[in-house]
Amino acid sequence: GQQVMQIPQYQHVQEGEDFTTYCNSSTTLSNIQWYKQRPGGHPVFLIQLVKSGEVKKQKRLTFQFGEAKKNSSLHITATQTTDVGTYFCAGKGTGGFKTIFGAGTRLFVKA
Amino acid sequence: EADIYQTPRYLVIGTGKKITLECSQTMGHDKMYWYQQDPGMELHLIHYSYGVNSTEKGDLSSESTVSRIRTEHFPLTLESARPSHTSQYLCASRGTSGGSYEQYFGPGTRLTVT
Repeated sequence: GQQVMQIPQYQHVQEGEDFTTYCNSSTTLSNIQWYKQRPGGHPVFLIQLVKSGEVKKQKRLTFQFGEAKKNSSLHITATQTTDVGTYFCAGKGTGGFKTIFGAGTRLFVKA
Repeated sequence: EADIYQTPRYLVIGTGKKITLECSQTMGHDKMYWYQQDPGMELHLIHYSYGVNSTEKGDLSSESTVSRIRTEHFPLTLESARPSHTSQYLCASRGTSGGSYEQYFGPGTRLTVT
């Protein structure tokens, strides 16, 4: 069945350092979404990528969708303490597969 | 802010009790989901619905049941609560128009079974 793997599981960074989380699917995706969950909160939608090779930016966040539509990444430039939380990718497979969430990457930012 | 609500927000209950977690959305979304999540951990899909009178079990085996009698309402019931059910339960919904697969999450119910 379809699997979505996300690495790393945890990342500790010093404030100002960059951060990247990676998402890999066992099957081709029709789209991928990214969510952020603050500690004690609920997941909040960040973005959806649909096209092969697509790159989207939201301020210090850069999202990429791989050419084969099987992997994606989220890169944060110059992390801030407000970036703390867990980042989830969620991949929608082609051919009627459900959206599958990755296990998440928990980001810790030290001031 | 998404218009999706969950009650109660926190619940402490004894073993063996029957409980129902409520979830309602006012966005007219057809698709609704229940996830179980331990703090800081991954989301496990336990139930989903693609519309009224449509419910399916998710990827994680669960002793809970759901119903979808109205579009806006998707309650989850545990017939006999056990300590292993202690977790956070998140409800989500999404629409089916415009090509967006964005899921809107409720604030969650933190359940503790003693």
